[in-house]
Amino acid sequence: DVVMTQSPLSLPVTLGQPASISCRSNQSLVYSDGNTYLNWFQQRPGQSPRRLIYKVSIRDSGVPDRFSGSGSGTDFTLKINRVEAEDVGVYYCMQGTHLFTFGPGTKVDIK
Amino acid sequence: QVQLQESGPGLVKPSETLSLTCTVSGDSINSGSYYWGWIRQPPGKGLEWIGYIYYTGSTNYNPSLKSRVTISTDTSKNQFSLNLSSVTAADTAVYYCTRDFDYWGQGILVTVSS
Repeated sequence: DVVMTQSPLSLPVTLGQPASISCRSNQSLVYSDGNTYLNWFQQRPGQSPRRLIYKVSIRDSGVPDRFSGSGSGTDFTLKINRVEAEDVGVYYCMQGTHLFTFGPGTKVDIK
Repeated sequence: QVQLQESGPGLVKPSETLSLTCTVSGDSINSGSYYWGWIRQPPGKGLEWIGYIYYTGSTNYNPSLKSRVTISTDTSKNQFSLNLSSVTAADTAVYYCTRDFDYWGQGILVTVSS
């Protein structure tokens, strides 16, 4: 089974400052078609999850460009360039290469 | 604009079957190469993928739930459904339906209790 881990699990941030979340899998997420199916989701308090990024680094429509994804193989990162108040919530990585598995989530709040 | 809406009972007794329906508007579950899936989230916890049905009708399920899960479609109503049998309190969660993880329903809380 694919296990996804995230760090940190809690991330207090200062408004306007950058933030970074790490996501790791216990096996390579490179699929046989050459793509890497690693997604990032944001879940604001009381809302449904919203996908921010798919295939490691492609932003979904309407996602601010302060969000960026990077990584390869088993190590991935979500970066928020300058945190805004609306970015508060829980962020999940999810692999879609070997069925689907979510990470445990990283709670982002304001210091 | 694609919209998904979950519906079904909010309370299910232990050992019974949880049945939910997702009604899709703004897209046809028959068209395109999309996965129509279910995800759940126990109160205060993280997200768990349950399974999906592809537009071709093929299905795939979380191995940890596979023996209890069935996902099916009703193309005449543009709906897809989740059945989860032999439920216990551990199945209490908000259940979301999704199209390819890019569109999500608002979620429905299902409590398993006698």
